[in-house]
Amino acid sequence: GDSVTQMEGPVTLSEEAFLTINCTYTATGYPSLFWYVQYPGEGLQLLLKATKADDKGSNKGFEATYRKETTSFHLEKGSVQVSDSAVYFCAPTQGGSEKLVFGKGTKLTVNP
Amino acid sequence: NAGVTQTPKFRILKIGQSMTLQCTQDMNHNYMYWYRQDPGMGLKLIYYSVGAGITDKGEVPNGYNVSRSTTEDFPLRLELAAPSQTSVYFCASSPRGLELFFGSGTQLSVL
Repeated sequence: GDSVTQMEGPVTLSEEAFLTINCTYTATGYPSLFWYVQYPGEGLQLLLKATKADDKGSNKGFEATYRKETTSFHLEKGSVQVSDSAVYFCAPTQGGSEKLVFGKGTKLTVNP
Repeated sequence: NAGVTQTPKFRILKIGQSMTLQCTQDMNHNYMYWYRQDPGMGLKLIYYSVGAGITDKGEVPNGYNVSRSTTEDFPLRLELAAPSQTSVYFCASSPRGLELFFGSGTQLSVL
């Protein structure tokens, strides 16, 4: 069945470091791809999305490119801030439906 | 700017007790969802609804029930609570699916 694999955490970085969180998926057809972020004590919120191959989603300095050939959607940010500390979830749609499959999440801690 | 409101925020149940987790949204979204989040795991879909009067099972529906009598409300019922239902529960809504708006969660412990 459809699945998603995220880089294991936790990830600890210093402020202004470069961030990459890997995400690969298996899916039938051409899923839409999402990154959600969960700040401490809160529910998830949409960070960015891409709906077709080669699309680049971006928001708050984060970017991710829909790579159909490698079935990947890696999250990147050039210079992280302490306020980026959160858990990040990769979520492709499932089996041509509009239901999302969530990865296990990657916890990021950014130290000043 | 209420968005998706969940109550209660915390609850402790004894094994065999029942309870209802409340969820209401004020964005007039057709789609609503219930997820559970276990430590170190992604979210698992329990039930979802694409409109008032329509509900369907997700990945892990056993031990739960839902109803959707109005667009705004989507309560989740736990009957005969078990320790395996200890989790954080999130309700979410969406205008068309895909972009979900989450509530702040209910932390439930079954002892």
